[in-house]
Amino acid sequence: QQQVKQSPQSLIVQKGGISIINCAYENTAFDYFPWYQQFPGKGPALLIAIRPDVSEKKEGRFTISFNKSAKQFSLHIMDSQPGDSATYFCAASGDTDKLIFGTGTRLQVFP
Amino acid sequence: DAGITQSPRHKVTETGTPVTLRCHQTENHRYMYWYRQDPGHGLRLIHYSYGVKDTDKGEVSDGYSVSRSKTEDFLLTLESATSSQTSVYFCAISELATGELFFGEGSRLTVL
Repeated sequence: QQQVKQSPQSLIVQKGGISIINCAYENTAFDYFPWYQQFPGKGPALLIAIRPDVSEKKEGRFTISFNKSAKQFSLHIMDSQPGDSATYFCAASGDTDKLIFGTGTRLQVFP
Repeated sequence: DAGITQSPRHKVTETGTPVTLRCHQTENHRYMYWYRQDPGHGLRLIHYSYGVKDTDKGEVSDGYSVSRSKTEDFLLTLESATSSQTSVYFCAISELATGELFFGEGSRLTVL
């Protein structure tokens, strides 16, 4: 039972384009929604996170959009660069200590 | 970089043998986690700890046990390894229950 559903599984974007990764959740008790970035051979690292009291959070080229009524949130990477090529994981947690991850999206940005 | 060390980083073992993976932190964080990463499944929580000798199960805990006798060390044990436990295992730490997770660099386990 996947509590956090992530799509697409893989994404190919040209340099300068916009990368969009989507996630949907089921548990209405979730109140913390981070995105993690993972480079090959490394552990994931926090990229950006949002709580449901706001609908959008922007940090540089990275933006989280959050739709509480639809139980969906997405990551937008503006002006995508080859250095952004990595695997991205959405995640969610709520009334427990557990962070539940999506299945990951492998992003490739070509020059 | 957060002070997290996983050992061993690579291990090949045979079915039925016991395996212990170690996670050591120098950050004095309260929470420690073991995840496994598999293609198509993302990161799945195996066990976690919210203090010394305080542990709880995650979503894929069958076949695994953990121990935390000191704040800095969190051990993951496969009592009798199976091929389905071939995976990359990540340890993570956190200061808060729903705060940022800091991950180690992973331990790649192959069970033949």
